[in-house]
Amino acid sequence: AQSVAQPEDQVNVAEGNPLTVKCTYSVSGNPYLFWYVQYPNRGLQFLLKYITGDNLVKGSYGFEAEFNKSQTSFHLKKPSALVSDSALYFCAVRGNTNAGKSTFGDGTTLTVKP
Amino acid sequence: SQTIHQWPATLVQPVGSPLSLECTVEGTSNPNLYWYRQAAGRGLQLLFYSVGIGQISSEVPQNLSASRPQDRQFILSSKKLLLSDSGFYLCAWSLWDRTNTEAFFGQGTRLTVV
Repeated sequence: AQSVAQPEDQVNVAEGNPLTVKCTYSVSGNPYLFWYVQYPNRGLQFLLKYITGDNLVKGSYGFEAEFNKSQTSFHLKKPSALVSDSALYFCAVRGNTNAGKSTFGDGTTLTVKP
Repeated sequence: SQTIHQWPATLVQPVGSPLSLECTVEGTSNPNLYWYRQAAGRGLQLLFYSVGIGQISSEVPQNLSASRPQDRQFILSSKKLLLSDSGFYLCAWSLWDRTNTEAFFGQGTRLTVV
C-alpha cells in the first residue's frame, strides 16, 4: 500500500521569507511524486512532479521540491513567499505499478502574512 | 488543449433523494477518470477509478456508484442520499498510458445533504 504524510496542518510564514511544506511517502517500487495547490472552493491545480532524474524539481509560480530517497521525502519549497501563495497544498504519490492511482496527503494550509 | 467540465458547482439535496453528478473531458482520448471526495477542506478520498468505457473500480464501499457510458464522460450517482454524503466532489483525469503523469481536476461540486 502507498501512503503520504504531511505532518503540518498549518504553515505560517511572512511575505518575502522562504517557505517549506513537508511531505513524506511510502510506496513499493519507484515513486512518482506530485504537488498540487487548491484555492477555496476550487479544484486542485498541478504544481510540479518528480518522476526520475534530478532530485530538485522546479515547477509553477516559483515553487520547487526536493526528492530525498533515503528520507522518503518530497518537501515543497519557495525562496520568497507571496501573500497570493496562501492556499491548501497537497502532496501525492503513485507507485510505478499502481495503474495510475495516486494517494494524497491530508493537505497543509499555507498562510503568508504581509 | 484538454479541458474538464464538472457540474453542477453546488447542490443541495434532501436525504433520500437521488444524485447525479456529471464530468466530461475534452481534447484527449481514453483518459483515466477519477471521482474523489474531499471532506471539510482536507484530504482527498478516491471513490471510483475508470480506465475505459464500462470499467469502474470502486475504492471505498458506500452509498455511491459510478458509470462511464462514453469515453470521456464519468457520472457519479446515488439512489438515496445520506447526510454523510455531504462533501466536495472532484472529478479528475490523467493520460491512460502514462502512470507518471499528473491528474487534472475539475472545479468541484459542493454537495450538501439536508
